[in-house]
Amino acid sequence: GAGVSQSPSNKVTEKGKDVELRCDPISGHTALYWYRQSLGQGLEFLIYFQGNSAPDKSGLPSDRFSAERTGGSVSTLTIQRTQQEDSAVYLCASSPDLNEAFFGQGTRLTVV
Amino acid sequence: SQKIEQNSEALNIQEGKTATLTCNYTNYSPAYLQWYRQDPGRGPVFLLLIRENEKEKRKERLKVTFDTTLKQSLFHITASQPADSATYLCALPAYSGAGSYQLTFGKGTKLSVIP
Repeated sequence: GAGVSQSPSNKVTEKGKDVELRCDPISGHTALYWYRQSLGQGLEFLIYFQGNSAPDKSGLPSDRFSAERTGGSVSTLTIQRTQQEDSAVYLCASSPDLNEAFFGQGTRLTVV
Repeated sequence: SQKIEQNSEALNIQEGKTATLTCNYTNYSPAYLQWYRQDPGRGPVFLLLIRENEKEKRKERLKVTFDTTLKQSLFHITASQPADSATYLCALPAYSGAGSYQLTFGKGTKLSVIP
């Protein structure tokens, strides 16, 4: 596809379960970001991948959160032992040169 | 600590008027600043980038200014239309402390253009 694709678009999970969120960036984009947006709030930085460099994980809120990017392309954000405060929209963005970020539609996560 | 502030959470203006949104930052010296538009239920969409050596940039009905002395960017929409109603976010590269610059966003200003 032409844009950033995220799946699933919606996810409802029970408290304590693990979830995996997927991001397919635009082909050839070396930079990939994950953000979290709670209702009515701004974008909270989570993690940043740039090429083959070690990821910048400084925004991950706890050790329950992890992310990987395989082959410099697809990325997966994993949240273990989900809590209700993890409910939010998780947005992925990719960029060819950091001058413009292209966002996906997001995954709306609801922890019940 | 580094901070980005978009002064108004919400702004209502009459159709046809010029909307002016403000983005202020502290403890940053960004090489550039970006503006995005976000509609409900969708991811942000890039609008404009302005570099530190540029005072002003225009794109159709949009105009952005960047004052590195005041540490402020202004975003103007002229001849506003109801279709311009959305949340507008400013973003700039901030040093994360982990060896890289990552794009940091303000909380946004929700613009409503009233017919």
